[in-house]
Amino acid sequence: QVVLTQSPSASASLGGSVQLTCTLSSGHSSYAIAWLQQQPEKGPRYLMKVNSYGVHSKGDGIPDRFSGSSSGAERYLTISSLQSEDEADYYCQTWGTGMPWVFGGGTKLTVL
Amino acid sequence: QVQLVESGGGVVQPGRSLRLSCTASGFPFNIYDIHWVRQAPGKGLEWVASVSRVGTHEYYADSVKGRFIISRDNPKVTLYLQMNSLRADDTAVYFCAREAISQYNEQEGYFDLWGRGTLVTVSS
Repeated sequence: QVVLTQSPSASASLGGSVQLTCTLSSGHSSYAIAWLQQQPEKGPRYLMKVNSYGVHSKGDGIPDRFSGSSSGAERYLTISSLQSEDEADYYCQTWGTGMPWVFGGGTKLTVL
Repeated sequence: QVQLVESGGGVVQPGRSLRLSCTASGFPFNIYDIHWVRQAPGKGLEWVASVSRVGTHEYYADSVKGRFIISRDNPKVTLYLQMNSLRADDTAVYFCAREAISQYNEQEGYFDLWGRGTLVTVSS
């Protein structure tokens, strides 16, 4: 079964940029993932799908400040021009035939 | 407005049952697979169960298999989760989530719409 690994925390300055990483376990480097944002006390919000070629689709209303990319088994979410409301938990999620839907452990982003 | 709204959470004793509901609006409910995902206090997201668009296929996480039952009523645009034999480690916020579809109405695998969740606390 695929495992998604995320760093527990990250921080960056207001107005700056940050790159979050989601790493697919060995043998699963071709899998697509989805990035989700969860602000405090809210349900998750879909940001975008990233496959091995890059971003496939973004959610409705997601600002251009949010972008995705891919390299090998790593999937990235880059947030530029950081705003205070970007302070949230970010999760990656993947799926596949014959396996349950899987989430990474999440990264807590602090905007300084 | 395109949304999912969960209800039915509360405090329940171990071993008892509870039924959650998720009501959809603003989109054609019957063409989407719908899922339940939970989040224990201070923890990450855990997929719980899913049901196909017409209710013919159900899938469950090992942690709830045999105890939880997912179902849907398309005319009522409502998803359900019947939770039986509840345990303390079922304590969580339960979200319903819509699985995205392609332009050809094929399931995409990721969740593009989420509700705000309903809290279930299992405690004596």
